[in-house]
Amino acid sequence: DQQVKQNSPSLSVQEGRISILNCDYTNSMFDYFLWYKKYPAEGPTFLISISSIKDKNEDGRFTVFLNKSAKHLSLHIVPSQPGDSAVYFCAASGAGTYKYIFGTGTRLKVLA
Amino acid sequence: DAGVTQSPTHLIKTRGQHVTLRCSPISGHKSVSWYQQVLGQGPQFIFQYYEKEERGRGNFPDRFSARQFPNYSSELNVNALLLGDSALYLCASSFYDRTEAFFGQGTRLTVV
Repeated sequence: DQQVKQNSPSLSVQEGRISILNCDYTNSMFDYFLWYKKYPAEGPTFLISISSIKDKNEDGRFTVFLNKSAKHLSLHIVPSQPGDSAVYFCAASGAGTYKYIFGTGTRLKVLA
Repeated sequence: DAGVTQSPTHLIKTRGQHVTLRCSPISGHKSVSWYQQVLGQGPQFIFQYYEKEERGRGNFPDRFSARQFPNYSSELNVNALLLGDSALYLCASSFYDRTEAFFGQGTRLTVV
């Protein structure tokens, strides 16, 4: 049972445009969400997080939106750069648990 | 500042053997978690330790064990290796047990 889903395995975007990566979850107990970026042969790199008490969090070019009623979050990257090309994972955690549940990832390719 | 360091980076073992993977967290971080990532999937939670106590365990067999030392470094042990244990093993550290986790580069384990 996949509690965190990233339904788009890949996404291609032109340099300078917006990249939107989506993530859906099924467990209403999740209250903390994170996005990670992963390059080949490296561990995941933390990008941005959001608590369920918020619906938006920004950090530079990265913005995460949380829609609790739809159990959906998205990561916006503006403007997209070729160096953003990587696999992006969303992860979720619930109160009283100590683990993150990861999605299967979306491979982003930013075209120059 | 040094990030999360894992050793070794690559390892080849034979079925039935035992393996020990090591992790040094970011200085000041008291929580260490272990994840297994197989190709095409997101990281899967194995263990979390906080202040040297096991706080959580994922759905992995008893062949998997771990511990955290007084200096907060950690070991993951896997006994009686199976071909299916071949994966990237990731260690993550965080200051508290539910803040953003920072990952090491991983140990690529191949079981032949």
